[in-house]
Amino acid sequence: DAKTTQPPSMDCAEGRAANLPCNHSTISGNEYVYWYRQIHSQGPQYIIHGLKNNETNEMASLIITEDRKSSTLILPHATLRDTAVYYCIVRVAEHYGQNFVFGPGTRLSVLP
Amino acid sequence: DAGVIQSPRHEVTEMGQEVTLRCKPISGHDYLFWYRQTMMRGLELLIYFNNNVPIDDSGMPEDRFSAKMPNASFSTLKIQPSEPRDSAVYFCASNPGLAVYNEQFFGPGTRLTVL
Repeated sequence: DAKTTQPPSMDCAEGRAANLPCNHSTISGNEYVYWYRQIHSQGPQYIIHGLKNNETNEMASLIITEDRKSSTLILPHATLRDTAVYYCIVRVAEHYGQNFVFGPGTRLSVLP
Repeated sequence: DAGVIQSPRHEVTEMGQEVTLRCKPISGHDYLFWYRQTMMRGLELLIYFNNNVPIDDSGMPEDRFSAKMPNASFSTLKIQPSEPRDSAVYFCASNPGLAVYNEQFFGPGTRLTVL
């Protein structure tokens, strides 16, 4: 399975867009990109996922480069409640178990 | 829906004691996962079930750990005997089992402290 690399930490001003990058240079053609986040002391929460095209939902947007080797999660108007650890995961949609691996993630701090 | 329910939320026990963690998945979800999270190792998958059957337990650290799912609405993770290094937050998650729609729903976790 492909591995991901993310910056360990980022800061963002409240009300501004938070852009969280993820590199997945060895991603396979049938692997999706998933984003989860974990707010302190809570269970991880699903944000968004995509294969090739950019995706948007009520929480965030996911921009995947044309070669699929990297992606960016965008929180359009970050709030203090968006402070969390954000995980980028690549995996084949039909596979479970050990293929679903959480790395260290990016700790996003939204500053007032 | 109440989401994934875990109990207890906090557990403090002494080394050598048996610990049982409980999980109720979201109704209708075919997959159930047990994870462990520590500062050193991050979030690790321990075991997962499909339709109440254990599919992959290769993440279970050792024989002191066991998990069961007697029915679709209940699962347990048991540690016997417990050791201080088992101290962690244990999460249960469930998934509806649809191939493309692969969102996992996590419970609030059980914070285990073994003294």
